[in-house]
Amino acid sequence: GNSVTQMEGPVTLSEEAFLTINCTYTATGYPSLFWYVQYPGEGLQLLLKATKADDKGSNKGFEATYRKETTSFHLEKGSVQVSDSAVYFCALSDRGGGSNYKLTFGKGTLLTVNP
Amino acid sequence: GAGVSQTPSNKVTEKGKYVELRCDPISGHTALYWYRQSLGQGPEFLIYFQGTGAADDSGLPNDRFFAVRPEGSVSTLKIQRTERGDSAVYLCASSLGAASGRSTDTQYFGPGTRLTVL
Repeated sequence: GNSVTQMEGPVTLSEEAFLTINCTYTATGYPSLFWYVQYPGEGLQLLLKATKADDKGSNKGFEATYRKETTSFHLEKGSVQVSDSAVYFCALSDRGGGSNYKLTFGKGTLLTVNP
Repeated sequence: GAGVSQTPSNKVTEKGKYVELRCDPISGHTALYWYRQSLGQGPEFLIYFQGTGAADDSGLPNDRFFAVRPEGSVSTLKIQRTERGDSAVYLCASSLGAASGRSTDTQYFGPGTRLTVL
């Protein structure tokens, strides 16, 4: 079956520090990969996505590259801000030839950025 | 336009009671998903609708859980004889669905319903 393993948290950084949150996956097919973010008191929001090998998803200064050879999709940001404090979820969808794009999520990584 | 909405935002019930959770998807979205998020975990898939039919209910944990989408829009997740282990945040997501014709189909999530079973 499909699974996503992401870095255990919590992660605590100072403002302007470099961020990496590791994510690796196992999939039976050729999945699309996602990072979702959940800010305090808010719902899940799509942060970025990539649909094929070597694609780079990017948004709000965050980036992640789809690495098929290492089955990874690590999230990076060069300089974090206090407003980036949130829970980050790595996820995959593996359509398997149909139209069902159900998502498989990792457990989430809590990021706290201090001023 | 409006996003995915879910009602109620919070539901407290007693063990053994019946509950219904409602999801209003984004207008025009034919695909609808339910997920359950337990404390400290990522969301877990429950059921997927394409239009009115439940195309994949493989994530429902047991026969106490049931969901409907009679007109292909609003969906209701129904839980019978609730147990304390059912306490979680129930998330609904919608997407364009099969009509999108894309290699992937972005899901948009509602704010969730927090269910507490006492």
